[in-house]
Amino acid sequence: KAGVTQTPRYLIKTRGQQVTLSCSPISGHRSVSWYQQTPGQGLQFLFEYFSETQRNKGNFPGRFSGRQFSNSRSEMNVSTLELGDSALYLCASSAETANTEAFFGQGTRLTVV
Amino acid sequence: AQSVAQPEDQVNVAEGNPLTVKCTYSVSGNPYLFWYVQYPNRGLQFLLKYITGDNLVKGSYGFEAEFNKSQTSFHLKKPSALVSDSALYFCAVRDIGSGNTGKLIFGQGTTLQVKP
Repeated sequence: KAGVTQTPRYLIKTRGQQVTLSCSPISGHRSVSWYQQTPGQGLQFLFEYFSETQRNKGNFPGRFSGRQFSNSRSEMNVSTLELGDSALYLCASSAETANTEAFFGQGTRLTVV
Repeated sequence: AQSVAQPEDQVNVAEGNPLTVKCTYSVSGNPYLFWYVQYPNRGLQFLLKYITGDNLVKGSYGFEAEFNKSQTSFHLKKPSALVSDSALYFCAVRDIGSGNTGKLIFGQGTTLQVKP
């Protein structure tokens, strides 16, 4: 079974630009969650999508948004980038039930300059 | 609100010695607990989980964890550490409030350093 695939692996953007990150979950998984990882804040939950609907949202500004397609692939978008958005963005997919583990992609390293 | 704490930023052990990485949690209801490991510039790899049943859970790469309900702890252990175990370890709890199943709440992470 193929794992969770995130593209691109690395991105360098300029302040004020926008960026779109992509995540392909494990086949059959309908839940996709996004996390931001920074040295100072650790791993913070951004949002979760399930069957194309946002099911949960973390405490991030509206510049952070996402969506999920009918094939469960997900994208997240960050508009008007700030230096503080530099982070490793991780996508996780899981099966429907709460007692199953989440599987993570390799992440996208975003650097805002 | 559910939370997870990892009281040690770093744990240092000698190769061949047993290791313990500590985790405590605070949840309402039954906890769904997980351990993940992260190598530099990589995603998180699942090690093991506790959902219900035996308090001692066995996982990947020789790791195990002990669930203690009275102490609200879920410590990660390994009888004999390897240099290759050196990595960043995260404890997490599934946020099952309101029926949501996807969200994980993570501890701040513990760096494990195993010296030859």
